[in-house]
Amino acid sequence: GAVVSQHPSRVICKSGTSVKIECRSLDFQATTMFWYRQFPKQSLMLMATSNEGSKATYEQGVEKDKFLINHASLTLSTLTVTSAHPEDSSFYICSASGQKTTTMNTEAFFGQGTRLTVV
Amino acid sequence: AQKVTQAQTEISVVEKEDVTLDCVYETRDTTYYLFWYKQPPSGELVFLIRRNSFDEQNEISGRYSWNFQKSTSSFNFTITASQVVDSAVYFCALSPPAPSGNTPLVFGKGTRLSVIA
Repeated sequence: GAVVSQHPSRVICKSGTSVKIECRSLDFQATTMFWYRQFPKQSLMLMATSNEGSKATYEQGVEKDKFLINHASLTLSTLTVTSAHPEDSSFYICSASGQKTTTMNTEAFFGQGTRLTVV
Repeated sequence: AQKVTQAQTEISVVEKEDVTLDCVYETRDTTYYLFWYKQPPSGELVFLIRRNSFDEQNEISGRYSWNFQKSTSSFNFTITASQVVDSAVYFCALSPPAPSGNTPLVFGKGTRLSVIA
């Protein structure tokens, strides 16, 4: 079945550095990718929606200059957390949607998530 | 606006007990999809079910069953004869249908289920 691969699964970085998270759809074309953030014991909150070839649409309260999203191809979207601070420590998870998600009777396929810790 | 409410924040049961996780949703769409996901401690989301708003038949899959009541906007999830491996956070989610465009899921706050041996 369709698989979305997210990398890395865990990352620890120093405050002030940038971290890039990759989300790949392995066997289908993902026309849309979503990025969610989940703080401990909280729900998943949508950060942004990215459509291939166009600028991402960010949810209210999410800083687009801090969370850079690139969706340059139909199989890859990246989220870069720039100048990370301890309060950015969270679980980030992507999901991908495309024609295959419709035919496979699901809405989106989720990546495995990335646990970011900023020290 | 769409909203999903999971009123139970945490539930603890003893192994082999049955447990029902509640989910109430709000939407103005006449067509929509409802989902349940399981999130074990490792963090990944495990897809459990998708239900179309036109299909009110209850579904059973092994020890899992779902009760969709459109009249009360509820989509409850029951685990029969719970096991320790069922311990996880369970999320109910809602979305418009895919043909209207790729749209994100709206998640409830989740219910943390602890099954004690």
